[in-house]
Amino acid sequence: QKEVEQNSGPLSVPEGAIASLNCTYSDRGSQSFFWYRQYSGKSPELIMSIYSNGDKEDGRFTAQLNKASQYVSLLIRDSQPSDSATYLCAVMASGGGADGLTFGKGTHLIIQP
Amino acid sequence: DVKVTQSSRYLVKRTGEKVFLECVQDMDHENMFWYRQDPGLGLRLIYFSYDVKMKEKGDIPEGYSVSREKKERFSLILESASTNQTSMYLCASSLNPGLVEKLFFGSGTQLSVL
Repeated sequence: QKEVEQNSGPLSVPEGAIASLNCTYSDRGSQSFFWYRQYSGKSPELIMSIYSNGDKEDGRFTAQLNKASQYVSLLIRDSQPSDSATYLCAVMASGGGADGLTFGKGTHLIIQP
Repeated sequence: DVKVTQSSRYLVKRTGEKVFLECVQDMDHENMFWYRQDPGLGLRLIYFSYDVKMKEKGDIPEGYSVSREKKERFSLILESASTNQTSMYLCASSLNPGLVEKLFFGSGTQLSVL
């Protein structure tokens, strides 16, 4: 059983600070990693993907991957109240395929003005 | 702009009814998926399809069936609705056959079975 673990939160961060969201996964053969953002009452939307060890930056967002530790994180710099949402980590096992994509249960992030 | 449309935002049905949830995508995507999302349980895959008339079971297919007669349309069927099928149902699509990268989600259908 492939597992993707996230702290459910809520994680409360003051406006302008860095929000750090973490995710661990059990399948060592996993190849692709995704972060989805889901606003309350809305559907998830992809905000970051990362495939190799290290950091990947896109605007205020940085995804970090450490395959040896089976750990992926999302950093949000200069946090804004509009970043308040649930963030879902999704991990794709080797070989791809829809049944290989496992979602974590999400971390609820609250940015305090 | 990319669009995945689910026919109903809210549905209320009675136990034992046959329920159809419809999903249409306008992006010519090969892959389509049905998930359900429940508090504390996250997103769980019910069924998916890589091609017309093709379907594969996901993690929780029991009590559900699907139909994909046209590339752009993927229907989820609850043959005899039960209260434990009360949930948010999310349809999604992605481009590449047999390979899941970016998923585009519909806005969801909140189904209540009474």
